[in-house]
Amino acid sequence: EDQVTQSPEALRLQEGESSSLNCSYTVSGLRGLFWYRQDPGKGPEFLFTLYSAGEEKEKERLKATLTKKESFLHITAPKPEDSATYLCAVQVTYGGATNKLIFGTGTLLAVQP
Amino acid sequence: DGGITQSPKYLFRKEGQNVTLSCEQNLNHDAMYWYRQDPGQGLRLIYYSQIVNDFQKGDIAEGYSVSREKKESFPLTVTSAQKNPTAFYLCASSLRQGALQREQYFGPGTRLTVT
Repeated sequence: EDQVTQSPEALRLQEGESSSLNCSYTVSGLRGLFWYRQDPGKGPEFLFTLYSAGEEKEKERLKATLTKKESFLHITAPKPEDSATYLCAVQVTYGGATNKLIFGTGTLLAVQP
Repeated sequence: DGGITQSPKYLFRKEGQNVTLSCEQNLNHDAMYWYRQDPGQGLRLIYYSQIVNDFQKGDIAEGYSVSREKKESFPLTVTSAQKNPTAFYLCASSLRQGALQREQYFGPGTRLTVT
């Protein structure tokens, strides 16, 4: 069964304290991995797409990497405004011609000033 | 500004009533999706549509219905047959994929409470 697991469930950091969030997956036929940020009561905001092992993407203090079994979202010198839930989703083939996303349950990040 | 709008933001209904959630996009995306989000669970796919006048069931379609009469619009009806309708509902859209999946963009969500 296709599955996406995110860890830790929650993470509390001090401002400036770098860390990483993990997204591990077991799927048949990965077609892409996506990272989203979600603020409370709002829709997810797209951050990155990764397609193949070894690929890396960066945006401000965030850097996403991908291996054959997992992805990491590295947060360098985080600020309080980085506090949010970070969602990982894996794209798999669904119904023949359609791709669907399987989402993890997210990591709730809190950055203390 | 291009984007996805969902209305209303909050919706309250009595048990046994059908309710329709609105989703409109002006991104010129072909594909549109409905998800539901519950505490402690990942987003789950309800219905999706790749083109106008065509849609398919997702993983949890029972008790829901949709229509896709226009490219910009993909309304979701939560019927009285849905056993646990209280949830946060998210609409998304994406460019129609070729060899690679393009990212999905999400609306702000509708929080439905049924009592």
